[in-house]
Amino acid sequence: DTEVTQTPKHLVMGMTNKKSLKCEQHMGHRAMYWYKQKAKKPPELMFVYSYEKLSINESVPSRFSPECPNSSLLNLHLHALQPEDSALYLCASSHVTSYNEQFFGPGTRLTVL
Amino acid sequence: EDQVTQSPEALRLQEGESSSLNCSYTVSGLRGLFWYRQDPGKGPEFLFTLYSAGEEKEKERLKATLTKKESFLHITAPKPEDSATYLCAVQARNQGAQKLVFGQGTRLTINP
Repeated sequence: DTEVTQTPKHLVMGMTNKKSLKCEQHMGHRAMYWYKQKAKKPPELMFVYSYEKLSINESVPSRFSPECPNSSLLNLHLHALQPEDSALYLCASSHVTSYNEQFFGPGTRLTVL
Repeated sequence: EDQVTQSPEALRLQEGESSSLNCSYTVSGLRGLFWYRQDPGKGPEFLFTLYSAGEEKEKERLKATLTKKESFLHITAPKPEDSATYLCAVQARNQGAQKLVFGQGTRLTINP
């Protein structure tokens, strides 16, 4: 299995809602990532988990809360988002060691009203 | 500061018209350079990894090459289905192994 899956594909939420994005991979990768991508821009790193521990937080606002329950799953909990948080949210995975390419999921299109 | 610049920003070609996309990079030690293809509204699809100058990788109509300052993605006799945004990213030695620096991408359109 060489696939990263993400659910849901689309999400519309109000500024007071709480929702979660989910990501799963079965490639045996022990590094998992959350990226945010705006239109016509490259992906922007948000969080990295290595061996199920948070290793990188790129100064992301606390309204985004990541969670890595096990080596195959990655969640992103959303609370009190702003309209400017509307974007494509991408999950990726890779081996932890150097020189390893990241494999991306299809993304979740998030719209905050 | 590590930097990646892709050119051109956008490129329109006729079907069968070969061309090259450029990725120039400035990093303090290169771990690896990655090429991805991204279709609208979808996640990037991994294409190639290049590690050292002189290295070349091929896949169907695509060929990626690497020098000490830049990488080229050559597209030979492209088809309309090759239309996508092509992203270049580098992994630098002074950053963690998990951090990629992306270029802004080249939007490629192949007209039938």
